[in-house]
Amino acid sequence: LAKTTQPISMDSYEGQEVNITCSHNNIATNDYITWYQQFPSQGPRFIIQGYKTKVTNEVASLFIPADRKSSTLSLPRVSLSDTAVYYCLVGSFTGGGNKLTFGTGTQLKVEL
Amino acid sequence: ETGVTQTPRHLVMGMTNKKSLKCEQHLGHNAMYWYKQSAKKPLELMFVYNFKEQTENNSVPSRFSPECPNSSHLFLHLHTLQPEDSALYLCASSQGSGDYQPQHFGDGTRLSIL
Repeated sequence: LAKTTQPISMDSYEGQEVNITCSHNNIATNDYITWYQQFPSQGPRFIIQGYKTKVTNEVASLFIPADRKSSTLSLPRVSLSDTAVYYCLVGSFTGGGNKLTFGTGTQLKVEL
Repeated sequence: ETGVTQTPRHLVMGMTNKKSLKCEQHLGHNAMYWYKQSAKKPLELMFVYNFKEQTENNSVPSRFSPECPNSSHLFLHLHTLQPEDSALYLCASSQGSGDYQPQHFGDGTRLSIL
């Protein structure tokens, strides 16, 4: 299973764009990159997923360079409610379900 | 998101009690998962079921016994737990076949062992 490395914490202010970068040097050909958000005492929430290049949805963008050894989650104009832990995962379908390994994530704190 | 529902949300039990955690998904998925999240630690995968068959047991002690009667329901039976088993237990589901699809999580059961 590919291991991921991301910053332990980040601070930002409301209205700013936040970019969280994740390293996954041993990503496999079949692996997808997925980001989750988790609030205290809740389960992780799917944010965005990609395989290569750029993916954008209504809440975030995901940038993946050609070598796929890293990825960057971009949150435009964050608000206080974006304070949460953000997890970067890589994984692929194994035939017996998806096996994901969660790291410690990045604690994002947004202030006024 | 209420696609994955876990009950109870909170559970306090003694070390000699027997209790069960329940998970139900309404997403039409075929794979279901149990995770443990202890304070200040990453989520740990415990069990994986795909089409009701267990495909992964991540060296979990036998005092945790999973059951998957159908693709929509998953149980975790608890017996003779230890204080270090106090944690947030999360259930997730995903498509069990085809292309890779992300997992959808419930909000967990907060378990406290006295």
